[in-house]
Amino acid sequence: NAGVMQNPRHLVRRRGQEARLRCSPMKGHSHVYWYRQLPEEGLKFMVYLQKENIIDESGMPKERFSAEFPKEGPSILRIQQVVRGDSAAYFCASSPPKGTGSVEQYFGPGTRLTVT
Amino acid sequence: SQQGEEDPQALSIQEGENATMNCSYKTSINNLQWYRQNSGRGLVHLILIRSNEREKHSGRLRVTLDTSKKSSSLLITASRAADTASYFCATPTGGGGSQGNLIFGKGTKLSVKP
Repeated sequence: NAGVMQNPRHLVRRRGQEARLRCSPMKGHSHVYWYRQLPEEGLKFMVYLQKENIIDESGMPKERFSAEFPKEGPSILRIQQVVRGDSAAYFCASSPPKGTGSVEQYFGPGTRLTVT
Repeated sequence: SQQGEEDPQALSIQEGENATMNCSYKTSINNLQWYRQNSGRGLVHLILIRSNEREKHSGRLRVTLDTSKKSSSLLITASRAADTASYFCATPTGGGGSQGNLIFGKGTKLSVKP
């Protein structure tokens, strides 16, 4: 059973460009979470999605950031018009459906975004 | 807002010694989780302790939870150089879906010298 997959692992963008980060959850997992980590910091929650639904986006900046988890395909975190402050590691996690008794979140290896 | 706060921020020990990290949190929880992150890598889930548990063991790991003090500790016994990593505690918000998002502390950076 493959773990959570994220791509690309490293992404370099110039200021003003768009960044698209992809996350494929573990097989059988229907919940996806996106977190951002700045250097020497802990992870900060951004958004929580289920298939075709955003459940909680309270940690997402109001502008330039959007996320989706379509019925088919990976979850996408999209950052428009990137700025230097967006440089960070972005982690995706997934968890099984409610009622399975498991509450752990399983993390992907992250995408390291560098904005030049 | 910061829910979990780890203490100390950094810890350096010799191989074979025990390492103890502490975590304090602010609100009521139904579980607390510890994760490890090697430099430049993703997070690995170590152990989950539920609010009705006081102590839990997994190999060389021992976790305690004191809900009255809103604190938890992670003990790594007989440490190895491979234990060098950052360790985070995390608590769920419990909102929606399976458990809601996790709130992480800033972590304890553990260095184990051979």
